[in-house]
Amino acid sequence: EAGVVQSPRYKIIEKKQPVAFWCNPISGHNTLYWYLQNLGQGPELLIRYENEEAVDDSQLPKDRFSAERLKGVDSTLKIQPAELGDSAVYLCASSSQGNTEAFFGQGTRLTVV
Amino acid sequence: GENVEQHPSTLSVQEGDSAVIKCTYSDSASNYFPWYKQELGKGPQLIIDIRSNVGEKKDQRIAVTLNKTAKHFSLHITETQPEDSAVYFCAASRGPNTDKLIFGTGTRLQVFP
Repeated sequence: EAGVVQSPRYKIIEKKQPVAFWCNPISGHNTLYWYLQNLGQGPELLIRYENEEAVDDSQLPKDRFSAERLKGVDSTLKIQPAELGDSAVYLCASSSQGNTEAFFGQGTRLTVV
Repeated sequence: GENVEQHPSTLSVQEGDSAVIKCTYSDSASNYFPWYKQELGKGPQLIIDIRSNVGEKKDQRIAVTLNKTAKHFSLHITETQPEDSAVYFCAASRGPNTDKLIFGTGTRLQVFP
């Protein structure tokens, strides 16, 4: 069974440019998370979806970040415009309903120059 | 909100020795405590977890202990091997579906042959 798939693996952009990350969760997992991981830190939740509904987006900086999960499967996370401080690894994770374990993808390492 | 503190930040041991990583949490309502292992360039991977209704859980060379009164939990790795070298994160959550996993800052474990 394929795990959580994220793309791209790496992205380098200039500041003020837009960027998007894509996540395909494990088949059948209705819960999807986007986490931000700064260098040397633990992941921090940005947004959590239950199917297509964002049930916790309190940590998402809504002035420049947006996310969507159309049809309750794949999800995209967008930053527009990107700032230097957005350089980090963006992790996607998924879990099945009632199951406590969250499976993480390999992440997208974003570098803003 | 929940705050999870983790120490040490780095830990070096000789192959075959034991390693212990400790975490404290602040939210007495937290009831799920997973430990993740993150290798370079990969996403975190769950290695063991414990719920608040038990005090200890063991899986081969890995064990986790929980003291709810003191609000701390620990990861114990016995007979360490070089492949145990990675960054380890503890986390805490209130809900059964990892809806708000709060991570510690990580411990970089190095096991020398």
